[in-house]
Amino acid sequence: SQQGEEDPQALSIQEGENATMNCSYKTSINNLQWYRQNSGRGLVHLILIRSNEREKHSGRLRVTLDTSKKSSSLLITASRAADTASYFCATDYGDDMRFGAGTRLTVKP
Amino acid sequence: EAQVTQNPRYLITVTGKKLTVTCSQNMNHEYMSWYRQDPGLGLRQIYYSMNVEVTDKGDVPEGYKVSRKEKRNFPLILESPSPNQTSLYFCASSLSGQDWANYGYTFGSGTRLTVV
Repeated sequence: SQQGEEDPQALSIQEGENATMNCSYKTSINNLQWYRQNSGRGLVHLILIRSNEREKHSGRLRVTLDTSKKSSSLLITASRAADTASYFCATDYGDDMRFGAGTRLTVKP
Repeated sequence: EAQVTQNPRYLITVTGKKLTVTCSQNMNHEYMSWYRQDPGLGLRQIYYSMNVEVTDKGDVPEGYKVSRKEKRNFPLILESPSPNQTSLYFCASSLSGQDWANYGYTFGSGTRLTVV
């Protein structure tokens, strides 16, 4: 069953704007990961945040984790048309990893 | 280049005709897994393997078989495909069963299967 649920399901913004996607989960996790998928292609690992971390940065990506609310957010700053893709959160609760249904991001030039 | 290779990329078959989707990784990863991706449902795990000769069911194993006779290969077998198995399939691997906690998975490019 799915563990993480992304919100919104779809997001459309202009190039240069920031994009924020959220992920909520139900049970305690060891870490949470974000992946990107270009249309019909394999998922690519973007960033991982551990349960004892609150914020992490990687280039234009910023991930936050609030374990009390069981939620995470992925912020992409200064978005580009090439950021158009689906973004998935994956929650690791020890035995395995579970993926959400994803947020479809469209960045218009 | 370190990668997970799936074949074929696209496959159209008829109900009941046995098929195999191959998956191979060149990273000496112990852990391998199969997922299917359907609209609105995200990725659901079919089977996974912690190491050679060790396989376990995921969330949706019905209608599928796997084998792990050697570390690099993890084929997905559909003995009698049905239309509800039409989906996009992904193979993934990581160095160990716990290594996904540090580095995540490496995914293949996917196999789009249509069963008519």
